[in-house]
Amino acid sequence: EVQLLESGGGLVQPGGSLRLSCEASGFTFSSYAMTWVRQAPGKGLGWVSGISDTGISTYYADSVKGRFTISRDNSKNTLYLQMNSLRAEDTAVYYCARARTPRGVVNYFDYWGQGTLVTVSS
Amino acid sequence: EIVMTQSPATLSVSPGERATLSCRANQSLTSTLAWYQQKPGQAPRLLIYGASTRATGIPARFSGSGSGTEFTLTISSLQSEDFAVYYCQQYNNWPPALTFGGGTKVEIK
Repeated sequence: EVQLLESGGGLVQPGGSLRLSCEASGFTFSSYAMTWVRQAPGKGLGWVSGISDTGISTYYADSVKGRFTISRDNSKNTLYLQMNSLRAEDTAVYYCARARTPRGVVNYFDYWGQGTLVTVSS
Repeated sequence: EIVMTQSPATLSVSPGERATLSCRANQSLTSTLAWYQQKPGQAPRLLIYGASTRATGIPARFSGSGSGTEFTLTISSLQSEDFAVYYCQQYNNWPPALTFGGGTKVEIK
């Protein structure tokens, strides 16, 4: 069974940093591109960042470019999101998700974690 | 940036009736569009990709259509478990700059 388990969320002050993790199981993690998607309280979905299966290629939404860094450790089956210079508008539930096609690109996503809440507030 | 606009924002439908949800892009996507369902407190669930291909395990009452800039998700006969929020998402750009629509909430009439 495919499972994605996010962790690392919490309360952080504006300007602070946080690192999210997404532990994957039930599939060959190193074969799939992965992504982070966020959802502000009561709002819609917003794409944050994506990474290729090898980790060589990374992609970001303009709103987080230069502040967030996506990475992965295929030996640990884990996806990461390092978030720096956090702002109040980054407050959201952050989901990790798997691209549907092995060896494919960051496009659409068939398995999602349950999310981890990041709150940026003083 | 590709902007996705969904309509209506809320759709009130009786169980057993048909629901038609719209998604419009501000530039052509060919068929690079996905649909997701999200229930309260849950993660999104992939329904449709490639504008019209149902994902694994998705019931046949869900169908997607359209290409270019206009897309439709149709639920042929609403079941109680279908009341949720539905999002469209484009994946046309390279490098990826994915965007979602604002969502359509399907509620019980």
